[in-house]
Amino acid sequence: NAGVTQTPKFRVLKTGQSMTLLCAQDMNHEYMYWYRQDPGMGLRLIHYSVGEGTTAKGEVPDGYNVSRLKKQNFLLGLESAAPSQTSVYFCASLPRQGGGNTEAFFGQGTRLTVV
Amino acid sequence: TQLLEQSPQFLSIQEGENLTVYCNSSSVFSSLQWYRQEPGEGPVLLVTVVTGGEVKKLKRLTFQFGDARKDSSLHITAAQPGDTGLYLCAGSNYGGSQGNLIFGKGTKLSVKP
Repeated sequence: NAGVTQTPKFRVLKTGQSMTLLCAQDMNHEYMYWYRQDPGMGLRLIHYSVGEGTTAKGEVPDGYNVSRLKKQNFLLGLESAAPSQTSVYFCASLPRQGGGNTEAFFGQGTRLTVV
Repeated sequence: TQLLEQSPQFLSIQEGENLTVYCNSSSVFSSLQWYRQEPGEGPVLLVTVVTGGEVKKLKRLTFQFGDARKDSSLHITAAQPGDTGLYLCAGSNYGGSQGNLIFGKGTKLSVKP
């Protein structure tokens, strides 16, 4: 059971380059999230999706775009990378809420460095 | 905007000591979770509390949800080096339009042998 898988695990980009981070979950979860984690900042929500074909902005959406064409995949795109986007990115998925079952399952993270 | 404040931000203790980590908010949450994150890994759920005043125990870890469901605490008894990690609290609300988990900034715990 793979759970939540993120690819790639590491990446170095030059300023201005673009890339896409892929998150795949095999638990049939409705909700998926992209967070970034910086030292001393905890987890900050970038974008999220409550179902296939839907996306919404989180706390820090600028410079990022997302797509959820298939229920199991949530893509995070950086169109023109900036050094401020150097961070560790985590994807998470959540079953539809209700009955106290709100455990979020996280991927192992993508460490992105923009030089 | 809902916020979760965690304290302390950093904690360094000796093996065998007890400690308490706090998670506070001015907002009410339907449930609150505690996660632990080890270096190079994603957070992993430790416990979910859903009822005001609820206390849950997980071996040497005791979790409490405040009566008003605005705050929570994590108490570790006789800490071990294996308890070292980043502890995150996260709140959620059922039926909210976002379906969002709000995370605190975390408490970085170091337990020295």
